[in-house]
Amino acid sequence: EPEVTQTPSHQVTQMGQEVILRCVPISNHLYFYWYRQILGQKVEFLVSFYNNEISEKSEIFDDQFSVERPDGSNFTLKIRSTKLEDSAMYFCASSLAGGRLDTQYFGPGTRLTVL
Amino acid sequence: GEDVEQSLFLSVREGDSSVINCTYTDSSSTYLYWYKQEPGAGLQLLTYIFSNMDMKQDQRLTVLLNKKDKHLSLRIADTQTGDSAIYFCAESSGGSYIPTFGRGTSLIVHP
Repeated sequence: EPEVTQTPSHQVTQMGQEVILRCVPISNHLYFYWYRQILGQKVEFLVSFYNNEISEKSEIFDDQFSVERPDGSNFTLKIRSTKLEDSAMYFCASSLAGGRLDTQYFGPGTRLTVL
Repeated sequence: GEDVEQSLFLSVREGDSSVINCTYTDSSSTYLYWYKQEPGAGLQLLTYIFSNMDMKQDQRLTVLLNKKDKHLSLRIADTQTGDSAIYFCAESSGGSYIPTFGRGTSLIVHP
């Protein structure tokens, strides 16, 4: 069964460094998403991406964040200058279409630790 | 804004029924979801219910919705060790297709 993959599974970085989290969505999907979950807190929506542009973003997704689909398979989340509070599990998801009943398939997550 | 709350832990004995509860605040919620996350894996959509329904059954899973109290529950009959996972309640409302999630309930099934 096709699945969403994410690399790395765990990333440790120093505060102020840039990180790029990578995701490979399911190949025929058109909508892509990033979520994060700070330890013990809720899963929070960051951004959705369709047709090579951001379609929706949350208040969390400020100028420090950017997303890109650099080729036909990868979908990346870049954090320009990490802060301690960026430490979280980051989930990528993809869906075939963008409706509320279009199942979003989630990757296993990347745990980001900012020291 | 929308808020979804659920308890953090539930421990049950194998073979018993599990009931995971969730409350939400948005009265315009139209879709309510249950996701399951197994260790090392992503969130997987288990089931969903429309807000105009009060119950949905799918094999061992029963979803109950009390729209008046804004309360959603997931019942797992004959709970097995393979059901041990984190279960997330989520809702979407209005024009948004982005679900709002709770913190997740860790279900621990012991022999």
